[in-house]
Amino acid sequence: DQQVKQNSPSLSVQEGRISILNCDYTNSMFDYFLWYKKYPAEGPTFLISISSIKDKNEDGRFTVFLNKSAKHLSLHIVPSQPGDSAVYFCAASGREGAQKLVFGQGTRLTINP
Amino acid sequence: DTGVSQDPRHKITKRGQNVTFRCDPISEHNRLYWYRQTLGQGPEFLTYFQNEAQLEKSRLLSDRFSAERPKGSFSTLEIQRTEQGDSAMYLCASSSRGGNEKLFFGSGTQLSVL
Repeated sequence: DQQVKQNSPSLSVQEGRISILNCDYTNSMFDYFLWYKKYPAEGPTFLISISSIKDKNEDGRFTVFLNKSAKHLSLHIVPSQPGDSAVYFCAASGREGAQKLVFGQGTRLTINP
Repeated sequence: DTGVSQDPRHKITKRGQNVTFRCDPISEHNRLYWYRQTLGQGPEFLTYFQNEAQLEKSRLLSDRFSAERPKGSFSTLEIQRTEQGDSAMYLCASSSRGGNEKLFFGSGTQLSVL
């Protein structure tokens, strides 16, 4: 039962263009969503988050959009840079005191010069 | 660097052997988590501590797995009678608040069971 899904295992984008990574979830009780970035041989690092009371959150080149009715979120990176090449995981948590995150399978983003 | 530290980085063992991993969280963080990640998948929650108390365990955590956090500082994860299906990256994370706050992950321990 995959509650958080990232249907694109990989994405290739030209440097300077926009990267859009997508994530879908099934559990309507999720109320907080995060994106993590992972380089090889390192643990995931937090990138950006959004609460379910918002539909957009922006931090520099990174913007996360949340569509609650569609149970869909996306991460936009603009402009994309070579250092953005990594695996990106979306994650979700619920309100009932659950202290764990549920992660998607990840999308490998490659930025081409 | 005062990030989350995990030891060892790699562990190769034979099936049936016991292994133990250690995690040192960020010193001011009272919450500690263990996750497991297999190839092509995202991290999966295993267990969670608040200070020294183990407050939640996933059903993924079979009886062969045990985690401790004595004195609310470092934590250990032990796997007894390892099986090939235990091969994975074991990630430790810590945070100063509950699940809605960002977790700080260590670099993980890569376990290979032969």
